[in-house]
Amino acid sequence: EAQVTQNPRYLITVTGKKLTVTCSQNMNHEYMSWYRQDPGLGLRQIYYSMNVEVTDKGDVPEGYKVSRKEKRNFPLILESPSPNQTSLYFCASSPTAAGEQFFGPGTRLTVL
Amino acid sequence: ILNVEQSPQSLHVQEGDSTNFTCSFPSSNFYALHWYRWETAKSPEALFVMTLNGDEKKKGRISATLNTKEGYSYLYIKGSQPEDSATYLCASLAGSARQLTFGSGTQLTVLP
Repeated sequence: EAQVTQNPRYLITVTGKKLTVTCSQNMNHEYMSWYRQDPGLGLRQIYYSMNVEVTDKGDVPEGYKVSRKEKRNFPLILESPSPNQTSLYFCASSPTAAGEQFFGPGTRLTVL
Repeated sequence: ILNVEQSPQSLHVQEGDSTNFTCSFPSSNFYALHWYRWETAKSPEALFVMTLNGDEKKKGRISATLNTKEGYSYLYIKGSQPEDSATYLCASLAGSARQLTFGSGTQLTVLP
């Protein structure tokens, strides 16, 4: 089944404790991206990747890192999480940047 | 950062009513316009991707139009059903066509 998977789905952590949210897609898509969703603000892009080893900042990259060592995986790293990073995070993939995005199930992160 | 706006923010309609929402986006450097449907506790799912001025797309009772010269798109739902209740998101791709910017969505509730 074609899908985008994210793990964990839910996470409660404390300020400053490094964490990684994994994202994997099995559709051989070149384009992958991370979004955060906050009430009233819609989806905001954190980082995106056009292909392996090619990553770029989105609209809200501060406090986040990503890597794209393999085509299928695009982990989101929070080196030192802070409470303002409490949010719902979505990973998405697409054949190209212009193509329809296939979203993962979301990760709800709470930083205390 | 592109300014993509959607109106109305929320909408309640009776079952059987037809309705429409608006997405406005910067017309300069336009590349593509996406519509997504996002049900509560699920992930956004693509409805349409449109690229050409005058594009009209249809999927069942839902259709969309695109005016790239004036920078707006309409989403229409004919004969709304309770299962149409969701948040409808539009997203614009512009410039170098690498970064998708979402509006904050229109939350539709269809009352039985």
